Amino acid sequence: SQQGEEDPQALSIQEGENATMNCSYKTSINNLQWYRQNSGRGLVHLILIRSNEREKHSGRLRVTLDTSKKSSSLLITASRAADTASYFCATYQIYNQGGKLIFGQGTELSVKP
Amino acid sequence: GAVVSQHPSWVICKSGTSVKIECRSLDFQATTMFWYRQFPKQSLMLMATSNEGSKATYEQGVEKDKFLINHASLTLSTLTVTSAHPEDSSFYICSARVRTQNIQYFGAGTRLSVL
Repeated sequence: SQQGEEDPQALSIQEGENATMNCSYKTSINNLQWYRQNSGRGLVHLILIRSNEREKHSGRLRVTLDTSKKSSSLLITASRAADTASYFCATYQIYNQGGKLIFGQGTELSVKP
Repeated sequence: GAVVSQHPSWVICKSGTSVKIECRSLDFQATTMFWYRQFPKQSLMLMATSNEGSKATYEQGVEKDKFLINHASLTLSTLTVTSAHPEDSSFYICSARVRTQNIQYFGAGTRLSVL
C-alpha cells in the first residue's frame, strides 16, 4: 500500500491533556505534513516538516521527524474540545513527473470537556 | 495562502448519470492537480494526478474510463464520474500544486451521493 500507518487509530483524552499521534511511512520523502479534518469537512493544513528537519513547532503543535525510522509524531499540548477532529499525516513523495502527497490512515481524536 | 475552489460542494444524482466536479486555483497557476477520494471514516486515497495539457496519470485500481479528468488550463481541472453508481458515493477532494513548490493546496471537497 502506498499509504503510511498512523497510530493510534482513535484517541480519547480529557481537555487540558496532551495528545500524541504517530505516523510511519515506507518510502523516501521530500517533506511530511500534518492535516486536520473535522467530520465531513475539508482539510486544514497544520504544519510541514522537511526531510532535513527533525523538529518543528507551531503554537500548541510540535512535530518531530525521524527519517532513519521513517516516522513522525504530532503532539498537541493543552488540548481543547475544539481540537476534536481527525488528524492525518501526509508524505510528499517525489517521482518522475514531480511529486504527490500520500496520506496516512489518520487518527480520530476526541477531546472531552 | 493559495486558494483552491471546488464546485459543487454537494451533489445528489441518480444511478447511471454522470457528474462533473470542478476544481479551480483562484490566485495561482496550478501546473499539477490531484484528485482524491475519501470514504466515510477512511483516509484520502489519491485517484489521479493531472498535469496541464497532458493526460492524467491514474493510480493503480482507479478506472480511467470511469473517472474522466480534464486539465485544460492552468487554473481549472474537472473530474467527471461517468455512469455513477451508489458505490461511487464518496467525498471527492481536489488539490493543486504550483510548479516551484512542493506544497499542495486543497479544495473544500465535494460530497457525491448516488441514489
